[in-house]
Amino acid sequence: DTGVSQDPRHKITKRGQNVTFRCDPISEHNRLYWYRQTLGQGPEFLTYFQNEAQLEKSRLLSDRFSAERPKGSFSTLEIQRTEQGDSAMYLCASSLVGRGNTIYFGEGSWLTVV
Amino acid sequence: DAKTTQPTSMDCAEGRAANLPCNHSTISGNEYVYWYRQIHSQGPQYIIHGLKNNETNEMASLIITEDRKSSTLILPHATLRDTAVYYCIVSGGSNYKLTFGKGTLLTVNP
Repeated sequence: DTGVSQDPRHKITKRGQNVTFRCDPISEHNRLYWYRQTLGQGPEFLTYFQNEAQLEKSRLLSDRFSAERPKGSFSTLEIQRTEQGDSAMYLCASSLVGRGNTIYFGEGSWLTVV
Repeated sequence: DAKTTQPTSMDCAEGRAANLPCNHSTISGNEYVYWYRQIHSQGPQYIIHGLKNNETNEMASLIITEDRKSSTLILPHATLRDTAVYYCIVSGGSNYKLTFGKGTLLTVNP
């Protein structure tokens, strides 16, 4: 069990650029989640997948955000035309349905939009 | 998911037990109590969870009242590395979404 892995850990980008984050869940975990966290706040749910199906998207996930999990393993979160308000830590998490459902988080990817 | 109420901050002396309270008076019968913590700039770390019985693992103990309306997380011998924000979360059996509040900032002092 190598834990949830996220890449890159830190990203600085100019406003208007596109960025993509990758998440590798714990092996065999069939649920994968994305959260966003801004300074001083708790993490906020964005979306989740069960296998390759995206089952729920938060209203926080604007049209500029897209998440995929093409083969039910790793996932990507893309932000198009970044804005300064997108600056946050993007957290990925995973769980195994039927095995207690405990959700385990990665270390997060910090995004700074300048 | 039921809401939780936690103190904004607490202090604890190193080596002493840290007792972190959480109120969840609207908890439903199939909802679990989860505790996570977040050390500065890191992702949330799972600590423990329970339904109605008290639970203990290598990190902490969880005491849930008989009416399940409140719980206490106990760190038996707090160290400086336990300084973190602790989140108490109530979530249903499907548990597909954790709703985080602002948590309790626990500061362990030397």
